Amino acid sequence: QVQLVESGGGVVQPGGSLRLSCAASGFTFNTKSMHWVRQAPGKGLEWVAFIHFDGNKTYYADSVRGRFTVSRDNSKNTLYLQMNSLRAEDTAVYHCVKDFGSYALEPWGQGNLVTVSS
Amino acid sequence: HSALTQPASVSGSPGQSITISCSGTGSDLGSYDLVSWYQQHPGKVPEVIIYENAKRPSGISDRFSGSKSGNTASLTISGLLAEDEADYYCCSFVGRGGWVFGGGTRLTVL
Repeated sequence: QVQLVESGGGVVQPGGSLRLSCAASGFTFNTKSMHWVRQAPGKGLEWVAFIHFDGNKTYYADSVRGRFTVSRDNSKNTLYLQMNSLRAEDTAVYHCVKDFGSYALEPWGQGNLVTVSS
Repeated sequence: HSALTQPASVSGSPGQSITISCSGTGSDLGSYDLVSWYQQHPGKVPEVIIYENAKRPSGISDRFSGSKSGNTASLTISGLLAEDEADYYCCSFVGRGGWVFGGGTRLTVL
């Protein structure tokens, strides 16, 4: 079955950088678009970024555009999120999510916590 | 794009029906028939229960139904069960802006 396993989270100071990875298995990765969605502690869901299956199209939420970069390596079945100029408000669990088709998101990885704090 | 607007909480008794609204504008939810709904139990990851406004993925109970009219989408849960107690989020594709979620609604089954 589909497995999405995020890694790379942790504690970083404001202004710092971090790169999340998502190892995908159980489906043909290079035919599926992918998303990153985050959830701050005790808060709701916030869509962060999308990348087309071939990596040629990306979309970003206004809150991260210019600071975050989504990419993928289809030879390694891995999705990435490079996060720069991190702020306290970026503190959240970051989920890697497969595009369901029909503009929905499913399934979701368990998530990886990123904490931005001095 | 700002978050779509959902009520913070709704409640109902077992066997009853409830409806959760999701409001947007003509430039987001109103422009696309691409609303999806997600159920999230405490400590769990979200799961899609409705896509393309009203379609159910395989395995999702027909007690869940969705609709959309103008700038507002709705999720109705009929025959409420204790296991339906969860957080529910609407989401819409908004073109080059990507996707936007609602703020979430906590459903309490009394």
